[in-house]
Amino acid sequence: EVQLVESGGDLVQPGRSLRLSCAASGFTFDDYAMHWVRQAPGKGLEWVSGISWNSGHTGYADSVKGRFTISRDNAKSSLFLQMNSLRTDDTALYYCTKGGGSVFYYYYMDVWGKGTTVTVSS
Amino acid sequence: EIVLTQSPGTLSLSPGERATLSCRASQSVASDYLAWYQQKPGQAPRLLIYNASGRATGIPDRFSGSGSGTDFTLTISRLEPEDLAVYFCHQYGNSPDTFGQGTKLDIK
Repeated sequence: EVQLVESGGDLVQPGRSLRLSCAASGFTFDDYAMHWVRQAPGKGLEWVSGISWNSGHTGYADSVKGRFTISRDNAKSSLFLQMNSLRTDDTALYYCTKGGGSVFYYYYMDVWGKGTTVTVSS
Repeated sequence: EIVLTQSPGTLSLSPGERATLSCRASQSVASDYLAWYQQKPGQAPRLLIYNASGRATGIPDRFSGSGSGTDFTLTISRLEPEDLAVYFCHQYGNSPDTFGQGTKLDIK
């Protein structure tokens, strides 16, 4: 069974850091691009970041550029999101998603995890 | 970035009826790279349609996608109670990826 399981969400103060993880199983992880997508409470979906199969290309939403870093460990079938300088508007449910191809652009997202909650508040 | 506007915001229909959901892009979506997702209450989104009209694995043929350029449609024929959900469109032809704000489908 194809599965994505996120972890690492927490309640943190503004300005602090947090690292999210996503464990993948049931598919050949290093064949596919991966993404992080977030959903603020009661809101729609926002693409946060994407990474190609071999980490050769990464992309970020303007809202997180310079603060967040996406990475992956293909040997461990894991995806990460390092979140620095967190702001209250980063509060959201963060989903790990699998891309439909090897690059993070030009493909849909065909598998989604259940998400991990990040709350940024003083 | 491309802004996707979905309409209507809420749709209330009865079982057996046909639902037509619209997604309009602020500029042409490259290669018609548009997807539709279903998000049931308390669940993660699920891919329904990709590349505007391709049906994802395991999705019933009651779900169909159409359109090109800036206007796209998700049609659900013969509604069932389990179709209660929010439906999002997503364009991935132009960077950055963007999503519509969603259409909530209520089943009477």
